[in-house]
Amino acid sequence: GAGVSQSPSNKVTEKGKDVELRCDPISGHTALYWYRQSLGQGLEFLIYFQGNSAPDKSGLPSDRFSAERTGGSVSTLTIQRTQQEDSAVYLCASSFQTTTYNEQFFGPGTRLTVL
Amino acid sequence: AQSVTQLDSHVSVSEGTPVLLRCNYSSSYSPSLFWYVQHPNKGLQLLLKYTSAATLVKGINGFEAEFKKSETSFHLTKPSAHMSDAAEYFCVVSSSGTYKYIFGTGTRLKVLA
Repeated sequence: GAGVSQSPSNKVTEKGKDVELRCDPISGHTALYWYRQSLGQGLEFLIYFQGNSAPDKSGLPSDRFSAERTGGSVSTLTIQRTQQEDSAVYLCASSFQTTTYNEQFFGPGTRLTVL
Repeated sequence: AQSVTQLDSHVSVSEGTPVLLRCNYSSSYSPSLFWYVQHPNKGLQLLLKYTSAATLVKGINGFEAEFKKSETSFHLTKPSAHMSDAAEYFCVVSSSGTYKYIFGTGTRLKVLA
């Protein structure tokens, strides 16, 4: 596909369970980003990948959150022992790295509901 | 440090009338500025971007924005609203050459028939 894809589109889980959210960036994009969009919090940056490494993890809200990227392509965001406050839409974006500007292309998001 | 303020959380306009969504930014360095739109249950779509070329930027669907350094503003306008413009709009600032996006809190645009 031409755009960023994310799966699943919706995920309902019980408190305390682990979840994995997947992102497929645009082919050839070296940079990948995860954001969280929740009511009252707006859009929050979580983590950034350049290739397979994550130079900036500063937005991860707790050590229950982790992410990895393999082959410079697909990324997985894992939330362990989910809590109700983790309920949100998780957005992934990808971009080329340039020296002048950095347009990010967003996927449709995964809506996570923790019961 | 960078920040962005969207001055209105909600804007209502009648179909066919002009749209103005206001955005002010703060940036220590030469900023890149973006407007994204998010339709219900859809991903964010780039409307337009400013990257230090022309200060008046034209985007998709008839939207445009003007970068005013003296006012630190990047307001989004459209001469005539269409029902399909109803969505949430986000102003974003990024320091030129860096990856970090700072999002505004969004403006929900309602278009009345």
